[in-house]
Amino acid sequence: SYELTQPPSVSVSPGQTARITCSGDALPKQYGYWYQQKPGQAPILVMFKDKQRPSGIPERFSGSSSGTTVTLTISGVQAEDEADYFCQSVDISASSVLFGGGTKLTVL
Amino acid sequence: QVQLVQSGAEVKKPGASVKISCKTSGFSFSAYAIHWVRQAPGQGLEWMGWINTGNGNTKYSQRFQDRVTFTRDASATTAYMELSGLRSDDTAVYFCAKDPHNNRPYYLDYWGQGTLVTVSS
Repeated sequence: SYELTQPPSVSVSPGQTARITCSGDALPKQYGYWYQQKPGQAPILVMFKDKQRPSGIPERFSGSSSGTTVTLTISGVQAEDEADYFCQSVDISASSVLFGGGTKLTVL
Repeated sequence: QVQLVQSGAEVKKPGASVKISCKTSGFSFSAYAIHWVRQAPGQGLEWMGWINTGNGNTKYSQRFQDRVTFTRDASATTAYMELSGLRSDDTAVYFCAKDPHNNRPYYLDYWGQGTLVTVSS
């Protein structure tokens, strides 16, 4: 079965650019999706179909895809962006959803 | 607006069952799948499965295959998740989430607020 691999943590200073990667063999065939989760809250969708931003998500959030890796980029990071970020894809042959292990973004 | 409102926190003893509800509004219930995801304390997201709210077909993660049941009541626009044979490691927050499709899994565009289930003797 497929797995999605994320770095456990990423740290950036305010105003810098944060890049969070997600790698997996499913990704060349299926889209990647990203969720932001703050402590005590439900996740929210911040990117879908690799690089599409839902309404209400700030423009500083962007997504890209290359081969077996999808990347969530946050430009001009703000303190409020500190959260856990989870990538997600689909194993279509198993009709199932995959989550990455999550990345804790720390804004220094 | 789209809303998914889950039932309240539960405390259960080992071996018991728990049934969580997910009351939806703001969209056509039978047109979009509902997924169930759980998160143990301090851990990541774990997908449990999904239900096609139109025909009731389900797909369960192998990890929960023999212990979980998803149902729905279209007239009440509510989805349900029942987990049996509870163990201490089932202590987690359980989320329902809507998929923008119904015939195959895609992604989770709206989430419920979560329901804490504590399993303790």
